[in-house]
Amino acid sequence: GAGVSQSPSNKVTEKGKDVELRCDPISGHTALYWYRQSLGQGLEFLIYFQGNSAPDKSGLPSDRFSAERTGGSVSTLTIQRTQQEDSAVYLCASSSGPGLEQFFGPGTRLTVL
Amino acid sequence: DQQVKQNSPSLSVQEGRISILNCDYTNSMFDYFLWYKKYPAEGPTFLISISSIKDKNEDGRFTVFLNKSAKHLSLHIVPSQPGDSAVYFCAASAWAQGGSEKLVFGKGTKLTVNP
Repeated sequence: GAGVSQSPSNKVTEKGKDVELRCDPISGHTALYWYRQSLGQGLEFLIYFQGNSAPDKSGLPSDRFSAERTGGSVSTLTIQRTQQEDSAVYLCASSSGPGLEQFFGPGTRLTVL
Repeated sequence: DQQVKQNSPSLSVQEGRISILNCDYTNSMFDYFLWYKKYPAEGPTFLISISSIKDKNEDGRFTVFLNKSAKHLSLHIVPSQPGDSAVYFCAASAWAQGGSEKLVFGKGTKLTVNP
C-alpha cells in the first residue's frame, strides 16, 4: 500500500521567501507529525495533529512556521520569510492513533540561500 | 538540552559479529522507547520498540534492552549484515503518562557493517 508521501523532494529558495511543504499521510491515519533534521542533528519535533483536536504546536521554532491539516488528511507546513538556519530535511510522519508506530515519509530537503 | 543522547556518532563492525548501539536519556517521564533505521535519502523506518514495563524485547536479529535505573537502552544486532549499514536513531516518548505523543530523537549512530 502507499506510504507517506512528501513534496517537493527538494526545495531551494532565497532568504526571505515563503515556502510550502506538503505531506500526504497514509490513508486512514488520524495522527500526523512534522519533524525536521538539521545537519548533524537528530530529528526535532515541530507539530502534531490528532483527529479534530487542537494541534500540539509546542515544537515550532518561531512564528514564521505554521502548519495546517485540511480535512483530516493532507498537511502543509509553511515557513514565511525563510532564513538560512531553516535549511534542513523536513520529515512528515503519520500513525493510526496515539502512541502507535509512526511511519515516515522520505522528507523534503530545504536549502535557503 | 538533549533529552535523548547517542554518544557514538559512528560504529563499525565485521559481518557476522554483534553490533551494539547505545542510547541514554534524561527525562524520567519517558515510558516508551523506539529504534528507527534510516538509509540516505529515505525517511526513518521503525525497527523495534520497548515499553518501560519491560527490560528486553526481541525481534529476530534485533534485541532492545532497557535499564530504567541507569536511564539507558541499547540495541543489539546479531549477526550483523552489510544491509544493516544505516543510521540508527533512538527515540523516546512520554505518551502513556499523559505527556505528549511526540517523539524525542537522539542524533543518531551511523553503523557500518563490513563484509
